[in-house]
Amino acid sequence: SQELEQSPQSLIVQEGKNLTINCTSSKTLYGLYWYKQKYGEGLIFLMMLQKGGEEKSHEKITAKLDEKKQQSSLHITASQPSHAGIYLCGADINTNAGKSTFGDGTTLTVKP
Amino acid sequence: GAVVSQHPSWVICKSGTSVKIECRSLDFQATTMFWYRQFPKQSLMLMATSNEGSKATYEQGVEKDKFLINHASLTLSTLTVTSAHPEDSSFYICSAENSGRAVGNIQYFGAGTRLSVL
Repeated sequence: SQELEQSPQSLIVQEGKNLTINCTSSKTLYGLYWYKQKYGEGLIFLMMLQKGGEEKSHEKITAKLDEKKQQSSLHITASQPSHAGIYLCGADINTNAGKSTFGDGTTLTVKP
Repeated sequence: GAVVSQHPSWVICKSGTSVKIECRSLDFQATTMFWYRQFPKQSLMLMATSNEGSKATYEQGVEKDKFLINHASLTLSTLTVTSAHPEDSSFYICSAENSGRAVGNIQYFGAGTRLSVL
């Protein structure tokens, strides 16, 4: 989606390394959602961020939403092969109701 | 909680036949469900928003007569690909919003249906 830009497009890291995925918009994000997808499967909801400056963590994954609510980052600490997959950010742009817009995804490969 | 079941997971059909895909929210009610199409190594493309008890809202470029959506109950939406052709072959994913959730529009996704039209 051009309204929601995700970077990098793909990422290959060595097991144990940290990594960051970014999701950026030129518009205000009323809700920001991170999902993980394994190829050929559905999406698994990871986290939701709504407030500027908000940060949430689940196990080794931390997501942040900046104060301006236009950028979010997903950080994985000490990556493991189980973290491999496609990470997508989704957001409610310009409104807090209705359909979400999705980024193009980041394919993460973790080498053992 | 928040489980969405999508069936079938994989279907192969002959050109010209119709295929129905079901999307069920198992442990919550969903006034709104979404149908997406995903091409290899690409993101989700929203096809339509399915609203319980009313007509679906289709995105621009999506033929409503080709992709029939029915959302007759708070836990079930169906997508029927009518007169399927090879170009309809794709990965279709549904999602559902929890109507009972007060904050946020979290979508819970089905596992997807891979459609192959011969």
